[in-house]
Amino acid sequence: EDQVTQSPEALRLQEGESSSLNCSYTVSGLRGLFWYRQDPGKGPEFLFTLYSAGEEKEKERLKATLTKKESFLHITAPKPEDSATYLCAVPDYGGATNKLIFGTGTLLAVQP
Amino acid sequence: NAGVTQTPKFQVLKTGQSMTLQCAQDMNHEYMSWYRQDPGMGLRLIHYSVGAGITDQGEVPNGYNVSRSTTEDFPLRLLSAAPSQTSVYFCASSSTGLDGYTFGSGTRLTVV
Repeated sequence: EDQVTQSPEALRLQEGESSSLNCSYTVSGLRGLFWYRQDPGKGPEFLFTLYSAGEEKEKERLKATLTKKESFLHITAPKPEDSATYLCAVPDYGGATNKLIFGTGTLLAVQP
Repeated sequence: NAGVTQTPKFQVLKTGQSMTLQCAQDMNHEYMSWYRQDPGMGLRLIHYSVGAGITDQGEVPNGYNVSRSTTEDFPLRLLSAAPSQTSVYFCASSSTGLDGYTFGSGTRLTVV
């Protein structure tokens, strides 16, 4: 069964304290891995798509990387406004990008 | 450019009632999906569509119907509401799937 597992479930950082979030997956024949940010009471907001192992993408203080079994979302010198739930998702076993499997997310809290 | 618009934002139903959750997008996206989000379960796919006139079931379709008569609209119908359908519902759209989905702001549904 295809699975996406995110860790940790929750992470509390001090402002400026860098860290990484993990997303591991068991889908074979990966056609892409997606990262989203979700603020309380809102829908997820798309951040990145990673297509193949070794690929990296950056956006402000966020950098996403991908290996054959997992992805990391690195947060460098976070600010309180980076506090949110971060979700990763992969297309299902058939590779259908219209059928995404989401992890349960990492709740990040950045304290000033 | 409104993106993905969901209505209503909040709804309380009695067990056995039916209702339609509305979703409209103005980006000419072919792919549209409905997800439900429950604590500890993550986002789960209910139904999806790859274009007008084409719909299919996701992971948790029971109790829900969809139709896609136009590119813009993708309503979700609850046939006979049950307490287990208490959840937050998100509609999302994408042009290809791999370029990321745009999510609506959600409908918080309570069935009593």
